[in-house]
Amino acid sequence: AQSVTQLGSHVSVSEGALVLLRCNYSSSVPPYLFWYVQYPNQGLQLLLKYTTGATLVKGINGFEAEFMKSETSFHLTKPSAHMSDAAEYFCAVDSNYQLIWGAGTKLIIKP
Amino acid sequence: DAGVIQSPRHEVTEMGQEVTLRCKPISGHDYLFWYRQTMMRGLELLIYFNNNVPIDDSGMPEDRFSAKMPNASFSTLKIQPSEPRDSAVYFCASRGQGTNTGELFFGEGSRLTVL
Repeated sequence: AQSVTQLGSHVSVSEGALVLLRCNYSSSVPPYLFWYVQYPNQGLQLLLKYTTGATLVKGINGFEAEFMKSETSFHLTKPSAHMSDAAEYFCAVDSNYQLIWGAGTKLIIKP
Repeated sequence: DAGVIQSPRHEVTEMGQEVTLRCKPISGHDYLFWYRQTMMRGLELLIYFNNNVPIDDSGMPEDRFSAKMPNASFSTLKIQPSEPRDSAVYFCASRGQGTNTGELFFGEGSRLTVL
């Protein structure tokens, strides 16, 4: 069965530091991969997606993620964290037309 | 274009009462999803519709939950009778035909508290 694992329910970084949120998946077929962001008291918003083609994909707000098939990973990064990035981030896998969600990672930004 | 619109944003009710949550999807979107989010269980898909027809309701917790989509621009999720364990944030999401399964547009959610 397909599954998504996000390592770390909470990640804390200093403002200006690198953001790295980890996502690993299992899928029996080539997956489509997504990252969503949820700001406090709001719905989820698509941050970026990988479907086919270039394995490094860029999203909104300076985030990017790289699909690494050999490692079954799709980690989310941002070179320099801003206070406004504080939110919860969800990784999701679309495999066989079913969307499987990770448990989410809360990103905390320290001033 | 307006996004997915949900109402009410907040609902506080007493155990045993009926609760109705409403959703207006983005115009032209053919798929509508109802999700529930809790700290313990994360994001759970309850039911989804395609062209107003329920396709998969396997996530609906029990018979107390029901969902309808009488037309392309309106859906309801009803809980009758409500119980404290139903307290959660309920999200509606929609997507267009021909887009990836994962490209959803979410509403801002309805936070339900059952006392």
